[in-house]
Amino acid sequence: DTEVTQTPKHLVMGMTNKKSLKCEQHMGHRAMYWYKQKAKKPPELMFVYSYEKLSINESVPSRFSPECPNSSLLNLHLHALQPEDSALYLCASSPRGTELTYNYGYTFGSGTRLTVV
Amino acid sequence: EDQVTQSPEALRLQEGESSSLNCSYTVSGLRGLFWYRQDPGKGPEFLFTLYSAGEEKEKERLKATLTKKESFLHITAPKPEDSATYLCAVQSAAGNKLTFGGGTRVLVKP
Repeated sequence: DTEVTQTPKHLVMGMTNKKSLKCEQHMGHRAMYWYKQKAKKPPELMFVYSYEKLSINESVPSRFSPECPNSSLLNLHLHALQPEDSALYLCASSPRGTELTYNYGYTFGSGTRLTVV
Repeated sequence: EDQVTQSPEALRLQEGESSSLNCSYTVSGLRGLFWYRQDPGKGPEFLFTLYSAGEEKEKERLKATLTKKESFLHITAPKPEDSATYLCAVQSAAGNKLTFGGGTRVLVKP
């Protein structure tokens, strides 16, 4: 299995809703990432988990709350979002070890298209 | 802070018209330079990793090269299915993350 699976593919939520994005990989990767991508812009890093521990938080607002329950799963909990948070949310994973990253890179999921109304 | 700049922002090619995309970078200790292809509404798809100056990688009509300050992605005799956004990203020795450039949107017309 060489995929990163994200659910749901599309999500529409109101500004008072609470929702969660899910990401799953079974490649044995021990680093997982959340990126946010606005239209016609590059992906921007939000969070990095390494061995299930949060290692990087790129000053993301607290209305985004990441969680890594185990080495295969990554969640992003959403609460009280704003319309400007509408974007494509991408999950990625990477193997530990320079040689593996060199040959296979970081693997991205297809993303969740989030619309906040 | 790591910085990646890609040019041009957009490129329109006729089928068969070869061209090159540029990625300039500033990074404290390059661990790897990555090229990705992204189709609209999809996640980035891994193409190549380059690590050291002088290195080259090839895949079908694509060839990536690396110097100490920039990388080039050459598209030889492109086909319409090569239309996509091509993203360049760097991973520095300082951290376990990718920093992306703005991308080059390539459109190949038949």
